[in-house]
Amino acid sequence: DQQVKQNSPSLSVQEGRISILNCDYTNSMFDYFLWYKKYPAEGPTFLISISSIKDKNEDGRFTVFLNKSAKHLSLHIVPSQPGDSAVYFCAASTGSSNTGKLIFGQGTTLQVKP
Amino acid sequence: NAGVMQNPRHLVRRRGQEARLRCSPMKGHSHVYWYRQLPEEGLKFMVYLQKENIIDESGMPKERFSAEFPKEGPSILRIQQVVRGDSAAYFCASSPASGRGEQYFGPGTRLTVT
Repeated sequence: DQQVKQNSPSLSVQEGRISILNCDYTNSMFDYFLWYKKYPAEGPTFLISISSIKDKNEDGRFTVFLNKSAKHLSLHIVPSQPGDSAVYFCAASTGSSNTGKLIFGQGTTLQVKP
Repeated sequence: NAGVMQNPRHLVRRRGQEARLRCSPMKGHSHVYWYRQLPEEGLKFMVYLQKENIIDESGMPKERFSAEFPKEGPSILRIQQVVRGDSAAYFCASSPASGRGEQYFGPGTRLTVT
């Protein structure tokens, strides 16, 4: 049962343009969502998060949007840079802070072309 | 502030041997999580521990796998009688006692069973 889905395995964009990565979830109990970036042979690096009481959170070039009615979130990267090329995972959790496991999507490989 | 440390980074075991994976959380973090990533898949939660306590082991296989986080020393993920299907990247993450849910990951241990 895949509760968190990233339906696009890969995405290619030109440097300077916007990258939009999408994530859908099925469990309405999820109330905290996170995006991680992962380079080969490294651990995931936390990027940005959003609580279900918000619909947008912004941090520099990264913005996460949450549409609770559609059970959908997206990560926007503007402008995209070649160093952003990596695998991006969305993750979700239930309950209040620090209560346990994260449920990850399968990941989307982003390639930013110079 | 040192990040999450994992060792070894690479581990090769023959079928039937035991594998021990170690994780030292970030300084000040008292919560440890273990995840497994099989080839071409996302990260799957295995177990969540606090000092001397297993909080959630719902993702652990019923047999051969165990985890501990003693009062002193690193967290250990132990796999007994390894099989080829155990070959994967095992990631440890930690979080502070109070936080917004972000988990910070180590570089992972890549286990290969021959």
